[in-house]
Order: sequence, then structure tokens, then C-alpha cells
Amino acid sequence: NAGVTQTPKFQVLKTGQSMTLQCAQDMNHEYMSWYRQDPGMGLRLIHYSVGAGITDQGEVPNGYNVSRSTTEDFPLRLLSAAPSQTSVYFCASSYEGQVTGELFFGEGSRLTVL
Amino acid sequence: SQQGEEDPQALSIQEGENATMNCSYKTSINNLQWYRQNSGRGLVHLILIRSNEREKHSGRLRVTLDTSKKSSSLLITASRAADTASYFCATVLNYGNNRLAFGKGNQVVVIP
Repeated sequence: NAGVTQTPKFQVLKTGQSMTLQCAQDMNHEYMSWYRQDPGMGLRLIHYSVGAGITDQGEVPNGYNVSRSTTEDFPLRLLSAAPSQTSVYFCASSYEGQVTGELFFGEGSRLTVL
Repeated sequence: SQQGEEDPQALSIQEGENATMNCSYKTSINNLQWYRQNSGRGLVHLILIRSNEREKHSGRLRVTLDTSKKSSSLLITASRAADTASYFCATVLNYGNNRLAFGKGNQVVVIP
């Protein structure tokens, strides 16, 4: 099993550009989520999903869209990139629909917005 | 809002010593989890303690939970250079908002 796979690992964007961060898991997990990690801020939840077709906002959802058409994939879309979105993004999944168990993390996607 | 604040923020110890980190939280929780993050990598789950548990062990790790004080501690015994990492506590709140909220992390450096 590959676990949680994120692509790309590194990306540089110009202000106003759009892009999609990909996340896929092969563990048949119901719960998937996106976090961003900034220095001194810990991890902050952007969006999450408890199953295919169901998504909800986290702590910092503005400027990001998600969809969950399959159990395996949970892409994160930046609609119009801003320098404030420069961060490291982590996708994480959990085998339960409720996040009462451990999260499995991808290796991260480092995004720089110029 | 941030749920889970670790204290101290940075810790430097000699190999073989014990490392203790604390985490406090503000509201009623379902469970509290500890994660490790090596530099440039994703987070790895270490241990989960439920609100009705007071202590849990996993190898060289010992976690305690005091719900009356809304705090938890992570003890790493006989530390190794490979334990150098950032350690995060995270909480699942008790009113079912289905979110895992992370603290800001503890940087631990183990000197060989």
C-alpha cells in the first residue's frame, strides 16, 4: 500500500493563478482532510470529507475548494492564488467516517505564491 | 481557534535522557492524540488516549491525561538521536464536529 500520496511535492505560482493539489489514498478510508502548516501556527484544518460526495469547511476554508467524487481522491483547488497561501499543505485520512482514530498523513506539498 | 497548546516549545536534551512535553486544551474532548513530525516530512501518529483513560504506554512513550486540569503529557524515555523531531498534540472535541485540532508543536533535539 502506498498510503496517502500527494502531488506535486513542490509548486511555485504567481498571484492570481489557479492550481489543484492532488491527494489519493489506497486504504479505503472514509475520512479525508486538508491542513496547512505555517511556521509558529501549527496545523490548521482547511476542508474535510467524511465520505464520497460529502465535504465540509474547516478552520481556514477561504480561497480553497474541495470535492470528493470517489473514496480514494480528495483534491484541493486554489481558485486565485495569493501570497498568504504560501504554505506547506498536508492531506490526511482516517479509516473511520468520524475522526475518532488516528490520521494518516501524506508527505506534504510545499507551495510558494509570488 | 487552536485547541491544544504544547509547553515547552523547544527542548534540547542529551541522548539517554528523558524528554517530557505538556499539552493543555480548553474544552471537553473525546480523545487526545500525539504526533511526531521529522523535518520536511508528514506527521506520524504516536499514541491516542481517550477521555476515560488516564495513562497509556507504547514502547518508550508514556502519555498521561488529566481531564480535570485539561492537560496531557508525553514522556519519551531513554531518548535517541532519532527522536529529534517536532511533537504535536491534537484533540477531538466531544461535541462531534469531526475535526482534529492541532497545537503548535514542540521541537525536540536529542544530542548524541
